[in-house]
Amino acid sequence: GDSVTQMEGPVTLSEEAFLTINCTYTATGYPSLFWYVQYPGEGLQLLLKATKADDKGSNKGFEATYRKETTSFHLEKGSVQVSDSAVYFCALSDQLTQKLVFGQGTRLTINP
Amino acid sequence: NAGVMQNPRHLVRRRGQEARLRCSPMKGHSHVYWYRQLPEEGLKFMVYLQKENIIDESGMPKERFSAEFPKEGPSILRIQQVVRGDSAAYFCASSELAGGREQYFGPGTRLTVT
Repeated sequence: GDSVTQMEGPVTLSEEAFLTINCTYTATGYPSLFWYVQYPGEGLQLLLKATKADDKGSNKGFEATYRKETTSFHLEKGSVQVSDSAVYFCALSDQLTQKLVFGQGTRLTINP
Repeated sequence: NAGVMQNPRHLVRRRGQEARLRCSPMKGHSHVYWYRQLPEEGLKFMVYLQKENIIDESGMPKERFSAEFPKEGPSILRIQQVVRGDSAAYFCASSELAGGREQYFGPGTRLTVT
C-alpha cells in the first residue's frame, strides 16, 4: 500500500539556520503531496501542497518540490525562526480512496 | 467562515464506558474524514464519510468503533466499551469536493481512558 517515510527527529536548530526535512513516498498512480504543521495542543494546518510532478509548493518561506524520479518531497526553509518550532508531517493523498497517508512526523525545535 | 469544529476537546472515560466524538465540518463541506493519532506517532486514517454514507472505512477497527454523518447535524465517531489502548487524539477533517485534495482539520479531541 501507499506509504510516507520522513526524516526522524527530533531536529534542533538555531535561529536563522537552514532547514531540510526529508520525505519520500511509495504510491501507485499520481498522488498529491502535502506538508502539514502541528503546533503544541492544536490540530494540523496545511503548510503547502503540490499536485503533480515538478510542482513546487511554497508558503511562509517554506518550499517543497514534487520529485517523481526520486519519489521525494523534501521540506526546506532558508532561515528558520523560533516560531517555526512544531511537528511537521509529510502526507500523500491516495488518488482512488482520497484518504491522507501520513509520515510519522518530525519534531522541530528552534533555539534563539 | 468558521473552521472545522470538534467537541469535546478533551474527554476522559473509564474502561468499559462509551465515548462520543463530534465533528462539524466547514460550511459547505460535505465530506468528512476521521484520523487517529497515537502518542508520538503520525495520523492514521480511520473512515471517510459523505452525508448519510460511509465511503471508506478501511481504517476502522472491526469492533467497538462506528461512525456516522447524518443529513442534519455533526459527524459522530462512537467508541463503545473503551480500553486504555483507545487513548489518543482523534482528528476530523473536511473537504468541499470529492477527491479530498485539500482537507481542513479540526483541533482534535484528546481521549484519555483511565
